[in-house]
Amino acid sequence: KAGVTQTPRYLIKTRGQQVTLSCSPISGHRSVSWYQQTPGQGLQFLFEYFSETQRNKGNFPGRFSGRQFSNSRSEMNVSTLELGDSALYLCASSLANPEDTQYFGPGTRLTVL
Amino acid sequence: GENVGLHLPTLSVQEGDNSIINCAYSNSASDYFIWYKQESGKGPQFIIDIRSNMDKRQGQRVTVLLNKTVKHLSLQIAATQPGDSAVYFCATNFGNEKLTFGTGTRLTIIP
Repeated sequence: KAGVTQTPRYLIKTRGQQVTLSCSPISGHRSVSWYQQTPGQGLQFLFEYFSETQRNKGNFPGRFSGRQFSNSRSEMNVSTLELGDSALYLCASSLANPEDTQYFGPGTRLTVL
Repeated sequence: GENVGLHLPTLSVQEGDNSIINCAYSNSASDYFIWYKQESGKGPQFIIDIRSNMDKRQGQRVTVLLNKTVKHLSLQIAATQPGDSAVYFCATNFGNEKLTFGTGTRLTIIP
């Protein structure tokens, strides 16, 4: 079974631009969570989607948004990029329930110049 | 508030020896605990998990111990190999569905 895939793997943007990252979960997984990983803050939860609905949300500003499609694929969008948004963005999928194990993708490395 | 921390940011172990990575959490409502391994350039990889109704769980060369009294979690890796070199994260869900991660311990296996 294929793992979680994320595209693109690397991205360079400038301040003020917006970016869209994509995540394809493991087949059969219906929950997708997004995390931001930085050296200073570690892994921080952004949001979780299940059945095309945001089920849980972390403490990030409204510039960070996401959505999930009927095939469980998910996208996250960051608008008006800031230098501090440079990070590794990780997507994780799980079957359905909060207690189900989350499996991570390789991440998208975003650099904001 | 929610807090998960690892005791040591770095740990070096001789190849073949056993290693223990520790983690502390603050919320007694936590009921699910996971250890992840992250190698350079990759996403976190699931190692082992344990639920709050258990004290110990074993996998292949790994054992997770949970002490709910002192809110402490540990990951033991037996007979370490060079491929075990990575950053190890503990995570817990604090009973409110989202995972909160510790800051990570970088384990280096010395050949």
